[in-house]
Amino acid sequence: NAGVTQTPKFRVLKTGQSMTLLCAQDMNHEYMYWYRQDPGMGLRLIHYSVGEGTTAKGEVPDGYNVSRLKKQNFLLGLESAAPSQTSVYFCASSPSTEAFFGQGTRLTVV
Amino acid sequence: RKEVEQDPGPFNVPEGATVAFNCTYSNSASQSFFWYRQDCRKEPKLLMSVYSSGNEDGRFTAQLNRASQYISLLIRDSKLSDSATYLCVVPSDTGRRALTFGSGTRLQVQP
Repeated sequence: NAGVTQTPKFRVLKTGQSMTLLCAQDMNHEYMYWYRQDPGMGLRLIHYSVGEGTTAKGEVPDGYNVSRLKKQNFLLGLESAAPSQTSVYFCASSPSTEAFFGQGTRLTVV
Repeated sequence: RKEVEQDPGPFNVPEGATVAFNCTYSNSASQSFFWYRQDCRKEPKLLMSVYSSGNEDGRFTAQLNRASQYISLLIRDSKLSDSATYLCVVPSDTGRRALTFGSGTRLQVQP
C-alpha cells in the first residue's frame, strides 16, 4: 500500500519557469491538501480539495494553482516560479480529520 | 491570538527523563486534536489523536483542557529515538476543511 506519493522529490527551477507537482493517493480519501513548510514557520496551507472536481484556497494561495480532476490525484502548479517559493512542499490526504502525508518535494528557485 | 501556538524549544533532556509539551489553540469549537511527529527532513506522521479529555499510548500521554484551550503531550522514559519535532494540530477555525499546524517543539534526547 503506497499511501501518498509525491513526484518529483527534488527540483531546481530558474525564476520564471513553471512546473507541476503531482500528488497521488491510493486510500480513496475525499480530502487532499497542499502545504508548504519553511524554517520557523511550520506548515502553511496553500490549497485544498474536499472532493473530485473541487478546490479551495488555503492560507497562502498566491502564485499557485491546483486541480483535482481525479479523486486520487491533486496537482499543484507554479506558473512563474519566484525565489520566495523555495520551500518543502507536502501533500496530504484525509478520510475526514486525520491527515496522511507524502514524503515531500524540495523545491529551490534560483 | 494565533490558531495554534507551541513553545519551539529545543527541549534537551537526558535518556529516561519525563518531558511535557504544551500547545494552546484559539478555536473553542474544536472537537479533535492531534500530535504529529516530524523527523528531520521527513514528512509529519500521526502520533496521537485526542477526541475527549485525553489519550494514552505506551509512554505517550496526551491531555486536553477545553476550559483553558490547551493540549499537552507527556513523554515518559525518553528514548534517544524520541528526538524529533512534535507538531500540535487542530482543525482550522477559518471555515476551511483543513488542519492548522503549530510550528513545532523540538526535542533532543541525550545519552
